[in-house]
Amino acid sequence: GAVVSQHPSWVICKSGTSVKIECRSLDFQATTMFWYRQFPKQSLMLMATSNEGSKATYEQGVEKDKFLINHASLTLSTLTVTSAHPEDSSFYICSLAGAFTDTQYFGPGTRLTVL
Amino acid sequence: DAKTTQPPSMDCAEGRAANLPCNHSTISGNEYVYWYRQIHSQGPQYIIHGLKNNETNEMASLIITEDRKSSTLILPHATLRDTAVYYCIVRVADGNKLVFGAGTILRVKS
Repeated sequence: GAVVSQHPSWVICKSGTSVKIECRSLDFQATTMFWYRQFPKQSLMLMATSNEGSKATYEQGVEKDKFLINHASLTLSTLTVTSAHPEDSSFYICSLAGAFTDTQYFGPGTRLTVL
Repeated sequence: DAKTTQPPSMDCAEGRAANLPCNHSTISGNEYVYWYRQIHSQGPQYIIHGLKNNETNEMASLIITEDRKSSTLILPHATLRDTAVYYCIVRVADGNKLVFGAGTILRVKS
């Protein structure tokens, strides 16, 4: 399967600051990337879907101006949490899919803690 | 999206086969059944998927009933490292979107 990396693996920031999380495909051209959020003891919730070179499609209830997604290339997508608040503390996970595969591959996740 | 129903938790003895059931009675004819697992504090890991035939790979086997309303994931020789949350997901036919349910917590015990 595809190898997916995320950076950073964990981050602690102050309330009001912005945090950028990178998701990279190391060996796979990802035409579509997904961003999920997972709160403690809960399942994954899809936040948005992005196709390379296009604007992301956000799920209902996810603020697009707060969670900025950029999918600039077939190997890189970034999620920026703007003006983070403690309630944004969560585990953020990206996944990717290619044009010729039915399978979605996930990154290792980024633990965000907002103080 | 077709919904899935899984037991909240299961225990399995190390070295024995782990059989994880999943009900998806509203599955459409062109929807696949996917299985992922998530070990604590990691991203989900793809295990296997199928449409209507049984499938096997190096990790597991997937048995889908003839009416496709349910399936079973089989880990033939469970190890302690197989302890994880296992998600059964029916994928929408027109895209890659995966909708995660609560999954089954599998505890493998020595």
